Amino acid sequence: QSVLTQPPSVSAAPGQKVTISCSGSSSNIGNNYVFWYQHLPGTAPKLLIYDNNKRPSGIPDRFSGSKSGTSATLGITGLQTGDEADYYCGTWDSSLSAVLFGGGTKLTVL
Amino acid sequence: QVQLQESGPGLVKPSETLSLTCVVSGYSISGGYYWGWIRQPPGKGLEWIGSIYHTGSTYYNSSLKSRVTISVDTSKNQFSLKLSSVTAADTAVYYCARPQYDSSDPGDAFDIWGQGTLVTVSS
Repeated sequence: QSVLTQPPSVSAAPGQKVTISCSGSSSNIGNNYVFWYQHLPGTAPKLLIYDNNKRPSGIPDRFSGSKSGTSATLGITGLQTGDEADYYCGTWDSSLSAVLFGGGTKLTVL
Repeated sequence: QVQLQESGPGLVKPSETLSLTCVVSGYSISGGYYWGWIRQPPGKGLEWIGSIYHTGSTYYNSSLKSRVTISVDTSKNQFSLKLSSVTAADTAVYYCARPQYDSSDPGDAFDIWGQGTLVTVSS
């Protein structure tokens, strides 16, 4: 069981918006930056969001990140079938001195 | 362009030691960064194994710490993972990765990843 809690799955129709939550504690999300990855089968994870809400170059602004207290949220607007993937949140845990990943959320675009 | 490539045996026997190497091209590993190893068992999520700074400073996942050694070889521009006493639970795709920032912070997001290599633990 992951220290960071994500919903196992979310779904929405093409063109719609979806949010994925990531819940942690003061030793991790509460006091450290959050990042988000998109992971397609057979490929390496792709960094979508870093430092809570920043996008690497090449990541469309359909993807957004936010953080409040000990929780973080990934938002995806204008859903496309190509967005179907597993999404992972992550952060550093200052008490464990470790990188943490959430359990992952499978996005289905209906 | 920075690239990372994992290499090592795809099959390891139970109780033996899993050994993987990550060769870095397009960047001198001596330049900095906390280089990391991450794995994904079949049907499960991502798990951070540990990270190493170019100076040799390491951080490990506490659940694996007793069995893990990560080392760096600046002369070969590569870093390595050794996981001892493996069991079927260690079967996974293993990735090496480099974080975004060239800093002394081991918690930075990984933005450059190797393609991953599947290691199966089986007799």
